[in-house]
Amino acid sequence: GESVGLHLPTLSVQEGDNSIINCAYSNSASDYFIWYKQESGKGPQFIIDIRSNMDKRQGQRVTVLLNKTVKHLSLQIAATQPGDSAVYFCAVSSGGYQKVTFGTGTKLQVIP
Amino acid sequence: DAGVIQSPRHEVTEMGQEVTLRCKPISGHNSLFWYRQTMMRGLELLIYFNNNVPIDDSGMPEDRFSAKMPNASFSTLKIQPSEPRDSAVYFCASSLGGGRNTEAFFGQGTRLTVV
Repeated sequence: GESVGLHLPTLSVQEGDNSIINCAYSNSASDYFIWYKQESGKGPQFIIDIRSNMDKRQGQRVTVLLNKTVKHLSLQIAATQPGDSAVYFCAVSSGGYQKVTFGTGTKLQVIP
Repeated sequence: DAGVIQSPRHEVTEMGQEVTLRCKPISGHNSLFWYRQTMMRGLELLIYFNNNVPIDDSGMPEDRFSAKMPNASFSTLKIQPSEPRDSAVYFCASSLGGGRNTEAFFGQGTRLTVV
């Protein structure tokens, strides 16, 4: 089965610094990867996704890196802002199937 | 679009009572998901519908849980009878579907407390 885990449960960064949130997955057949942000009292919100035929994808202030060799995924947030404070989840699925497995989440705390 | 709409936002019920959670997906989305979130187990997929048909209900904890999607714009998750261990935040999400993975859009969730 699929298991998805995060390396750090809590990450504290200074405002303006870059943040890196990591995720490890176990199923080598995984081919679709998503990062979600969840603020307190709200549902998860899509940030960025990447498919297995890519190793890097950039959005606005965010970059996702995929290393299929070691089954590792990371989310980089540039110039972290207080509004970035939230819990971040990676989610993984395989085979074109809509079922995704969520990681346990990393809490990002931005220090003003 | 108003996004995925869930009701109620909060539900407090007594053990043994029936609970019904409701969801309106985003118009045009073909896939609908019910998730449960707890501190201990994180986000768990309970059931997934595609074109109103249940595709995978392997995450449904037990027979006390049931879900329906009578049409493309409405789904329910029912717990009967409810138990204190069912206390959690229940999320509904929808996505375009169509056989290719796309991001899911989540509702605000229903916080269920069973006393």
